[in-house]
Amino acid sequence: EIVLTQSPATLSLSPGERATLSCRASQSVSSYLAWYQQKPGQAPRLLIYDASNRATGIPARFSGSGSGTDFTLTISSLEPEDFAVYYCQQRSNWPPGYTFGQGTKLEIK
Amino acid sequence: EVQLVESGGGLVQPGGSLRLSCAASGFTFSSYWMSWVRQAPGKGLEWVANIKQDGSEKYYVDSVKGRFTISRDNAKNSLYLQMNSLRAEDTAVYYCARAPPGGYFDYWGQGTLVTVSS
Repeated sequence: EIVLTQSPATLSLSPGERATLSCRASQSVSSYLAWYQQKPGQAPRLLIYDASNRATGIPARFSGSGSGTDFTLTISSLEPEDFAVYYCQQRSNWPPGYTFGQGTKLEIK
Repeated sequence: EVQLVESGGGLVQPGGSLRLSCAASGFTFSSYWMSWVRQAPGKGLEWVANIKQDGSEKYYVDSVKGRFTISRDNAKNSLYLQMNSLRAEDTAVYYCARAPPGGYFDYWGQGTLVTVSS
């Protein structure tokens, strides 16, 4: 089973700053990696799929990069509405299924 | 507009059963894999099960195998999760999610809370 490890667990930044979130896989997932944003009381929202493709309606300040085992979500200039929890997620062919990272909480400094 | 609306959550005793439903609209339901994903209170996300477009393939996380059954009715644009032998650790918000090709979830419902407690 592939394990996704996100770092840091908590990231404290101010609006306008650049955020860099990391996701490391225990073995290669090729480019089958997605990122989600979740705010309190809400369902997760897809931000990035296939490691670097922005989902529909996602602002350009969100970008994803990486392949194999190391992936990064970058928010170029934080807006107040960006403070939330972010999860990475991968799909495995065998055993069939999906796994999520444990999440990174992005909080206002 | 794609919409996924879950229902059926509630309070159930350990060992009990519950059936969750997800009503889909705004897209061709029969063309997509569908999944259930859960989130225990204050915890992260956990994929639970998914089902192929025609229901011919179903997969489950190990912790629910033999206890949960995913199904769908394409004529009713509905997804289901039958949960039996419920345990305290099954307490979570259960989300219905659409799974397009590529291995991610592009649309999610608002979730339904299942609480397993005596």
